[in-house]
Amino acid sequence: AQSVTQLDSHVSVSEGTPVLLRCNYSSSYSPSLFWYVQHPNKGLQLLLKYTSAATLVKGINGFEAEFKKSETSFHLTKPSAHMSDAAEYFCVVSIYNQGGKLIFGQGTELSVKP
Amino acid sequence: KAGVTQTPRYLIKTRGQQVTLSCSPISGHRSVSWYQQTPGQGLQFLFEYFSETQRNKGNFPGRFSGRQFSNSRSEMNVSTLELGDSALYLCASSPQGQETQYFGPGTRLLVL
Repeated sequence: AQSVTQLDSHVSVSEGTPVLLRCNYSSSYSPSLFWYVQHPNKGLQLLLKYTSAATLVKGINGFEAEFKKSETSFHLTKPSAHMSDAAEYFCVVSIYNQGGKLIFGQGTELSVKP
Repeated sequence: KAGVTQTPRYLIKTRGQQVTLSCSPISGHRSVSWYQQTPGQGLQFLFEYFSETQRNKGNFPGRFSGRQFSNSRSEMNVSTLELGDSALYLCASSPQGQETQYFGPGTRLLVL
């Protein structure tokens, strides 16, 4: 079965410092992985996706994630946090051979202090 | 291109009523998926439609149903509402053959 685990339910950083949001996945197949962001009272916005083309994936707003098969991880990083990055972040895996079904992690709430 | 749109944005219903939510996908997208988001259970897959056919279904009771029209617009219906159905219902669309889903703003349903 495929699943994702976000290792931190809440992360707090200061503005201008690096961001690290951790995600481990479980999959019997080569997975497609995504990071989405949700700002308060908004829908989900796609940050980036991994579909086996390159292990280091660059996304929007300066975020990137690295796929590490040996560690079954797909951590999200950003070199310098901005106040506008405060939101909830979801690590997501696409279910193999079941198009249209995404499995979401429980989410990590990112707080950014001035 | 316009994004995924959902109507209404907010709804208040009482227990036992039924509700219909609507979703218009991005132009050209034929796959529409629905998700329920609650604080306790997080984001859970409800069902997915492609070309007017339900392709996948999550673990929800039969009170939750959906359909898709020939123009790819989709509706979901919840009958005999329960307090636990209070949630944000998100719709997402994707192009044929792609796994990436693009989400709408959601419909927030409150059941009293």
